[in-house]
Amino acid sequence: QKEVEQNSGPLSVPEGAIASLNCTYSDRGSQSFFWYRQYSGKSPELIMFIYSNGDKEDGRFTAQLNKASQYVSLLIRDSQPSDSATYLCAVINGGSQGNLIFGKGTKLSVKP
Amino acid sequence: DVKVTQSSRYLVKRTGEKVFLECVQDMDHENMFWYRQDPGLGLRLIYFSYDVKMKEKGDIPEGYSVSREKKERFSLILESASTNQTSMYLCASSLSPYSTGMLQPQHFGDGTRLSIL
Repeated sequence: QKEVEQNSGPLSVPEGAIASLNCTYSDRGSQSFFWYRQYSGKSPELIMFIYSNGDKEDGRFTAQLNKASQYVSLLIRDSQPSDSATYLCAVINGGSQGNLIFGKGTKLSVKP
Repeated sequence: DVKVTQSSRYLVKRTGEKVFLECVQDMDHENMFWYRQDPGLGLRLIYFSYDVKMKEKGDIPEGYSVSREKKERFSLILESASTNQTSMYLCASSLSPYSTGMLQPQHFGDGTRLSIL
């Protein structure tokens, strides 16, 4: 059974701090990794994707991938209260045309 | 921007009714997916489709069926609604890796919150 694991949280950080969200996955054949943000009562929204080992930066967001350790993370710099949401890690199901395996999400709370 | 439209944001039905949830995408995506999301259980895949007329079971297909008669439209059908099908239903779509050479992310509709009484 292929799995994606995340700490459920809540992760609480003060405004302006760096929030670090972590995710591990079980399928060594996984090639594509995604982070979605989901506000309460809303649908998931894609914020980052990463395909290669290393870091990928987009504004205040940095995705980090370590395939040897089967670990992917999301860093949010200068966290804002508007970043408070649940963050879902998703991994392409190896061998599929695009089926995702989702973690259950980490709830982030940014305190003013 | 990708637009995935689900026909209803909120829906209330009675047990035993046949329920139709509609999803339309405007980006010519080959792949379409139906999920349900429940507290503590995360997103669970019900059915998916890689092409017109094609459908495959996901992790929890029991009690559901789907229809994909046109590329842009993917319908989820609850054959005889039951209270344990009360949930948030999410539709998503993505491009096929065969058209882009890379595995692509899924884009979600706004969701339908379905209550079965």
